Amino acid sequence: EDQVTQSPEALRLQEGESSSLNCSYTVSGLRGLFWYRQDPGKGPEFLFTLYSAGEEKEKERLKATLTKKESFLHITAPKPEDSATYLCAVRFSGGYNKLIFGAGTRLAVHP
Amino acid sequence: EPEVTQTPSHQVTQMGQEVILRCVPISNHLYFYWYRQILGQKVEFLVSFYNNEISEKSEIFDDQFSVERPDGSNFTLKIRSTKLEDSAMYFCASSEEGEQYFGPGTRLTVT
Repeated sequence: EDQVTQSPEALRLQEGESSSLNCSYTVSGLRGLFWYRQDPGKGPEFLFTLYSAGEEKEKERLKATLTKKESFLHITAPKPEDSATYLCAVRFSGGYNKLIFGAGTRLAVHP
Repeated sequence: EPEVTQTPSHQVTQMGQEVILRCVPISNHLYFYWYRQILGQKVEFLVSFYNNEISEKSEIFDDQFSVERPDGSNFTLKIRSTKLEDSAMYFCASSEEGEQYFGPGTRLTVT
């Protein structure tokens, strides 16, 4: 069965304390791995798309990387406004365009 | 910046009633989707729509559900005979070929 697993479920950081979130996947024929940010009661907000192992994308304090089995979202010197749930989703061969989401990592950054 | 919009933001209905959730996708996008998120759970794919027909649907998307693009801008999800377990956030999304952009969601509460 195709699976997307995110860890940790929750992460508490002090402002400025860098860390990484993990997304591991077991789909056949990856056609894209997507990172989203979701604030409480809101829709997922697109952050990054990664297509092949070794690819990296950066945006402000966030950097996403991809290997053949997992992706990492690195957060450098986070600020309280980075507090949110970060979702990983994959698109795969045979799945047309649907996304399979992980359960997310709830990040809290404290001043 | 173009965005996906959804109405209403919150819908309360009684069990057995029909509801229509409305979405306006980003104007040049060709693929449209509905997802749902039950409180505290993962975002789940319901259906994708392309070229005026359903391209894929999940097991959740049974005869109770239907989608329509009644004109050049709107995309709707109809839920017939709502059940208590249909209570969730419903997200519309649209895309060109790659990343999907999500709307703010409609919170459906079935009483």
